[in-house]
Amino acid sequence: NAGVTQTPKFQVLKTGQSMTLQCAQDMNHNSMYWYRQDPGMGLRLIYYSASEGTTDKGEVPNGYNVSRLNKREFSLRLESAAPSQTSVYFCASSEVSPNSGNTIYFGEGSWLTVV
Amino acid sequence: KNQVEQSPQSLIILEGKNCTLQCNYTVSPFSNLRWYKQDTGRGPVSLTIMTFSENTKSNGRYTATLDADTKQSSLHITASQLSDSASYICVVSAWETTDSWGKLQFGAGTQVVVTP
Repeated sequence: NAGVTQTPKFQVLKTGQSMTLQCAQDMNHNSMYWYRQDPGMGLRLIYYSASEGTTDKGEVPNGYNVSRLNKREFSLRLESAAPSQTSVYFCASSEVSPNSGNTIYFGEGSWLTVV
Repeated sequence: KNQVEQSPQSLIILEGKNCTLQCNYTVSPFSNLRWYKQDTGRGPVSLTIMTFSENTKSNGRYTATLDADTKQSSLHITASQLSDSASYICVVSAWETTDSWGKLQFGAGTQVVVTP
């Protein structure tokens, strides 16, 4: 059982380049999330999708776009990468809202460096 | 200001010893609190989830406590093993509202190093 799978694992971009991080979950979860993790800080929510067909901004959405392609897949796009977007990105999923106490499952992370 | 503060920032313990990590939060109205373990280079993995009515929950050698009145939680690791070396993250969520859906508050984590 793969859980949450995200690709690529590592990526180096030049400033201004674009790229898409892919995420897929095989647990039939309704909700999916993209977080970024920076040194010395807690994970911060970029965008989330409460259910298939919906997406909403999180705490730090500027410079990012998302697509909920279907129930399984949720992608994160950087249209014009900036050095401030150098970070570790995590995709996550849960059955329903995390406020209901259900478990949130995380992917293994994508290390992105923008030079 | 972060609504979830963890202490200590890091600690080193000898294999076989116990340790306790602290989490203080200001998130309100409180819904649930989670502890996650994050190995270096990996994604966070859930250890425990507690609602306001629960004050203790265990997962093997990990025991979490919650005092909703003082807004404090702790994670106790018993008889530590080398595999316990990781970052431990406290995560708090508020009761669901239109603005709070899906928006958990993450602590910065406590880095634990277990030495032989």
